[in-house]
Amino acid sequence: GAVVSQHPSRVICKSGTSVKIECRSLDFQATTMFWYRQFPKQSLMLMATSNEGSKATYEQGVEKDKFLINHASLTLSTLTVTSAHPEDSSFYICSASSAAPYEQYFGPGTRLTVT
Amino acid sequence: DAKTTQPPSMDCAEGRAANLPCNHSTISGNEYVYWYRQIHSQGPQYIIHGLKNNETNEMASLIITEDRKSSTLILPHATLRDTAVYYCIVRVPPSSGGSNYKLTFGKGTLLTVNP
Repeated sequence: GAVVSQHPSRVICKSGTSVKIECRSLDFQATTMFWYRQFPKQSLMLMATSNEGSKATYEQGVEKDKFLINHASLTLSTLTVTSAHPEDSSFYICSASSAAPYEQYFGPGTRLTVT
Repeated sequence: DAKTTQPPSMDCAEGRAANLPCNHSTISGNEYVYWYRQIHSQGPQYIIHGLKNNETNEMASLIITEDRKSSTLILPHATLRDTAVYYCIVRVPPSSGGSNYKLTFGKGTLLTVNP
C-alpha cells in the first residue's frame, strides 16, 4: 500500500523558464502533502506543507512566489519552480500523508537541472 | 523534535548484521524513535519506529535502551541493496490538527555494505 509517484523523474530546463513537478498518491487520499529539497551530499530540507484545498505553509527562507504549490485534489499536488536558475538545481522529493494514520509516504524524487 | 546524533558512516560485510546506533539523550516521554533510509537518488523509505519496547518487522529490529536515550537499528543479514543513508528521527506520532506532521532529517549514517 501507500504508493506515491512523482513526474517527471528528471527534468532539464533553461535558466529563466518554469518547471512543474507533480506528486500523486496512487492508492490513498492525501490530505497533506510535503515538498522537500535535497542538495548533493546534504539531507532533506522541508520546503512547504500543503493541505488539500488550502494555501501551502512555507518554511522559513523558502520563497512562496518562486516555489508555487497547488494541492487541488486529494491525490495530486504540484510544485512549480518559477524563473528557475542554476542554483535551483536540486533533488525535489514529495511525501503524502493520509487522514489516518497520518504517516508520511515518500515519492521517488525529481532531479531538476537548470542550465 | 529532539536532536539525534548518528555516526556519519559505517561499513558492514554482506550477510552480517548491521548495527546502526543513534543517540537521543533529550528525547521526551511521548516521542517515538523513527528510522528511515534513503538509497542513492531515491525518496526516503520508512523502516520501523518504536516508543520504549523493542520492535521487529520484516526489514529490521529496533532496540531502545531502558532510559530511551539511545537506540540501535539492526539489519540482521545485510545485503548490497541495504547500502543507503539511514536516518534516526525522534518525534511525537502525527495526528490530525497538530503541527507534528513534520519530519526533521539530520545527516544520517551512510551504511556501506561490502561484498
